[in-house]
Amino acid sequence: DTGVSQNPRHKITKRGQNVTFRCDPISEHNRLYWYRQTLGQGPEFLTYFQNEAQLEKSRLLSDRFSAERPKGSFSTLEIQRTEQGDSAMYLCASINSGSENYGYTFGSGTRLTVV
Amino acid sequence: GNSVTQMEGPVTLSEEAFLTINCTYTATGYPSLFWYVQYPGEGLQLLLKATKADDKGSNKGFEATYRKETTSFHLEKGSVQVSDSAVYFCAHGGGSQGNLIFGKGTKLSVKP
Repeated sequence: DTGVSQNPRHKITKRGQNVTFRCDPISEHNRLYWYRQTLGQGPEFLTYFQNEAQLEKSRLLSDRFSAERPKGSFSTLEIQRTEQGDSAMYLCASINSGSENYGYTFGSGTRLTVV
Repeated sequence: GNSVTQMEGPVTLSEEAFLTINCTYTATGYPSLFWYVQYPGEGLQLLLKATKADDKGSNKGFEATYRKETTSFHLEKGSVQVSDSAVYFCAHGGGSQGNLIFGKGTKLSVKP
């Protein structure tokens, strides 16, 4: 068990560019969550997958954001036409459904800076 | 709606001081409660949890008790160390999609 892995750790991009982040969850976990954490705030829910199905997206996830989990394993989060307000830490977490009481395992996050 | 409120930081303590970080929540039903810790430049690590009323979660000298009557889950440690310096997040598992609802975090700095 290597934990939840996120790549890259840091990304600096110019406004208007597209970026893509990757999350590799714990292999036996069927649920995968994306959160966004801005400076001085707690993480906020963006979207989640159960296996390959994206079951919910929060209102924070604008049309410029898209997430996939094509084979129910790793997931990608893409932001198109980035804006300075997208600068944040993007966190991924995984868990097995039915095990929520035991806590979620988080990755180290991808810190995005839009200049 | 569902929310978590934590005491404002930063909190600065001397080594071996007693720590309390207050946390209250609003939720539908009685969700599991968590404390996560975030060290500089890192992701969140689960510190402790409690799944039902009156449960006490504990780990690494930290404790928190699930108080249904006051909807609270205050974090305590009897003697903090410099290595405890981090940001602490209180959370509950009452999100409509099984997601966690987090407080804003409390930054703790422990001075030698």
